[in-house]
Amino acid sequence: GDSVTQMEGPVTLSEEAFLTINCTYTATGYPSLFWYVQYPGEGLQLLLKATKADDKGSNKGFEATYRKETTSFHLEKGSVQVSDSAVYFCALTRNTGFQKLVFGTGTRLLVSP
Amino acid sequence: GAGVSQSPRYKVAKRGQDVALRCDPISGHVSLFWYQQALGQGPEFLTYFQNEAQLDKSGLPSDRFFAERPEGSVSTLKIQRTQQEDSAVYLCASSLLAQSSTDTQYFGPGTRLTVL
Repeated sequence: GDSVTQMEGPVTLSEEAFLTINCTYTATGYPSLFWYVQYPGEGLQLLLKATKADDKGSNKGFEATYRKETTSFHLEKGSVQVSDSAVYFCALTRNTGFQKLVFGTGTRLLVSP
Repeated sequence: GAGVSQSPRYKVAKRGQDVALRCDPISGHVSLFWYQQALGQGPEFLTYFQNEAQLDKSGLPSDRFFAERPEGSVSTLKIQRTQQEDSAVYLCASSLLAQSSTDTQYFGPGTRLTVL
């Protein structure tokens, strides 16, 4: 079945450091790919998405590129801030049928001043 | 505008009790999803509604779990005879379109269920 694998956390960085959170997927066909973020005490919210190969999703300085050849969707940010501390979830939906999300286990990011 | 709301935010139940969890989706959203999130894990799909029709319930873990959306708006997830393994955060999400793999799902804050 479909699955998403994320790097384990926590990822601990200093402010202004470069961030990469790895995400790979297994799915039939051509899924759509998403990054969701969960800030402390808040609900899940969409960070960015890409719906076809080579698409780049971006938002709030975060970027991820849909790489079909490596089945990856790694999240990157050039300079993290303390306010980026949160749990990040990579997810996919199939492009047929109902769009239920299949999530990875999440990666906690801790950014210190 | 108002987002997805869920109530109660926290629920403590004794093993064997029945519980009902409510979800108010964003007005006008056709699709509604329930997910279960165990501690330290990603959310897992439970069931999907398109308006009032429950089109997919493949993720419900047992026949003790039941969901409904009778008028195509508010939804209730009911768990009968709760067990300790039911302890989790239950998330509701809604999206505007029906059966669109690219449409954004908007999540509520969740209901944290603890079964003692």
